[in-house]
Amino acid sequence: DAKTTQPNSMESNEEEPVHLPCNHSTISGTDYIHWYRQLPSQGPEYVIHGLTSNVNNRMASLAIAEDRKSSTLILHRATLRDAAVYYCILKGMDSNYQLIWGAGTKLIIKP
Amino acid sequence: GAGVSQSPSNKVTEKGKDVELRCDPISGHTALYWYRQSLGQGLEFLIYFQGNSAPDKSGLPSDRFSAERTGGSVSTLTIQRTQQEDSAVYLCASSFWTAGMPEAFFGQGTRLTVV
Repeated sequence: DAKTTQPNSMESNEEEPVHLPCNHSTISGTDYIHWYRQLPSQGPEYVIHGLTSNVNNRMASLAIAEDRKSSTLILHRATLRDAAVYYCILKGMDSNYQLIWGAGTKLIIKP
Repeated sequence: GAGVSQSPSNKVTEKGKDVELRCDPISGHTALYWYRQSLGQGLEFLIYFQGNSAPDKSGLPSDRFSAERTGGSVSTLTIQRTQQEDSAVYLCASSFWTAGMPEAFFGQGTRLTVV
């Protein structure tokens, strides 16, 4: 599984959109991009995943660059409950688990 | 239960003692994973099970660590002769066995403190 790079922390105001970037320049053609988040004192929670096309679900949107070397998790309207550490992880198509989790991005939401 | 359940939620043990950590996965999930997380760090993969077998044990830090899964359900992670560097949160997750895409569901973890 290739490595990802994320900013250590980001701040955003409540009720504003948040764009969380992730670089994965060594991604292979069969790697899926997964995002999880971890609220304080909780286990990680799945947010979204994608391969090539942009994806939307009830929690967030995932925008994937055309060359797939970067992606952005978009929270359309951040709430205080979105304050968490967000992890961007690559998972190979033939792999059923994530070997490498970085330190993620700590998202701070200001009221 | 509806989610992944781990017990105990907290464990304080003396250095040199053995500990057992338990994970009850979501019913029907054939894949089960153990990770550990040190303070402020990302997750470190330990081991995963497909059914009752563990195809990859390479993440186990030393031979003091072992894990088993019985009946394709409950899993136990055992740490023998605990050391202070074993202090961490141990997380268990489960998923359907679908290569490349499965959404993994995590428990709340067991916080292990070795004193």
